[in-house]
Order: sequence, then structure tokens, then C-alpha cells
Amino acid sequence: DQQVKQNSPSLSVQEGRISILNCDYTNSMFDYFLWYKKYPAEGPTFLISISSIKDKNEDGRFTVFLNKSAKHLSLHIVPSQPGDSAVYFCAASYGGATNKLIFGTGTLLAVQP
Amino acid sequence: DSGVTQTPKHLITATGQRVTLRCSPRSGDLSVYWYQQSLDQGLQFLIQYYNGEERAKGNILERFSAQQFPDLHSELNLSSLELGDSALYFCASSPRVSSYNEQFFGPGTRLTVL
Repeated sequence: DQQVKQNSPSLSVQEGRISILNCDYTNSMFDYFLWYKKYPAEGPTFLISISSIKDKNEDGRFTVFLNKSAKHLSLHIVPSQPGDSAVYFCAASYGGATNKLIFGTGTLLAVQP
Repeated sequence: DSGVTQTPKHLITATGQRVTLRCSPRSGDLSVYWYQQSLDQGLQFLIQYYNGEERAKGNILERFSAQQFPDLHSELNLSSLELGDSALYFCASSPRVSSYNEQFFGPGTRLTVL
């Protein structure tokens, strides 16, 4: 049972435009959400996170939006740059005594020059 | 560079064999996590240790085991290997065990079982 879903395996965007990556989750107990970026042959790199008490978090070119009623989050990258081309994973965690992350299957973003 | 190191980078072995993957967390991080990424899959949580003690288990096979040592490095032991165990294995660390903190990932160990 896939609790965190990224339904778009890939996305292609022109340099300078906005990239929007989407993620849906099914478990309403999740209270912390993260986005990771992964280049080939490297481990995932943390990008940005949001707790369930917020609906938006911004860090430079990256903004994450959380819609709890829809169980949906999105990552906006503005403006997109060729160096942003990578696989993006969203992840979720529960509160409590553990911090294990439940990952989506990833979206491959290609930013065209 | 996340500060998390993993060795070896690549490992090729045969079915039925046993291997050990090693992870050193970031300096000061007490919590270590292991994840498996199979082909075209997201990362699947295997197990978490905090300050030497097992804290949480995911869908980890009985053939797999892990431990965290007093110096906080961790090892993941995979035994009676099968073809389906071929995957990327990532280690991550974080300062605390609780929620609301990100995990920092190592570069991974690519295991190939022939």
C-alpha cells in the first residue's frame, strides 16, 4: 500500500519557468513532510520541509504548499534552472518516537536550457 | 557532502552469500536509519537505531539485521542473499529521534547479487 504517491514519473520544464511537483498521501497521521532531490550516483539531499500546522514554507527559489484537507503537497521551483534537473522525492513522517520517512516513488525533473 | 559516509560504494556478490554494509553518521548525530531503493522504486525504510538501541523497524527481512556501535557507526548485515536483494542501500542520520528534523543521507552502497 503506497501511502505517499507521486503520480508523475517525469516532468519537463523550460529554464526560467516554474516547476511544480506534486505529491499525495493517504495517511492523515502524517505530520511532517519533506522534499529531497537526488542526482544519479548520489544520496538524496534535503531541500525543504513543512509541518502539518503550516500550509506554506518558502526557502529561496523553493516553496512547499500543503493542503491537508486534500492530503496533497506540492513543490514549486521558481525560476527553474538546468542544475535543478534531478529526481525529486517527497517524504512524510509521523510524530512520536520515531522519525522514519515514507517516500514517494519520485519525479524526474528535466529543465531544458 | 552530507557528512554521512558509507562503505563500500559497490558490492558484487553471489546468491547465498552474506555481506556487511557500513555507515558512519554525521558528527554528533545519534540516530541512524537504513533504507533500500530497488529499481524504479522509492526508498523503503528498513530499520532505525538511536544511540545504540533499535528504535523502529520497517519491512526488513529476517535475513537482514543491523546494529549501531558505541562510536555510533552502524552496520547492515544481509545474509542468504537472493537476486531480489540487488538494490541501493542508503544510510541516513539525524540529531534526534523525534519528528520535525530532516535526515541526511549518505551516497549509498550499490549491491548486485548475481
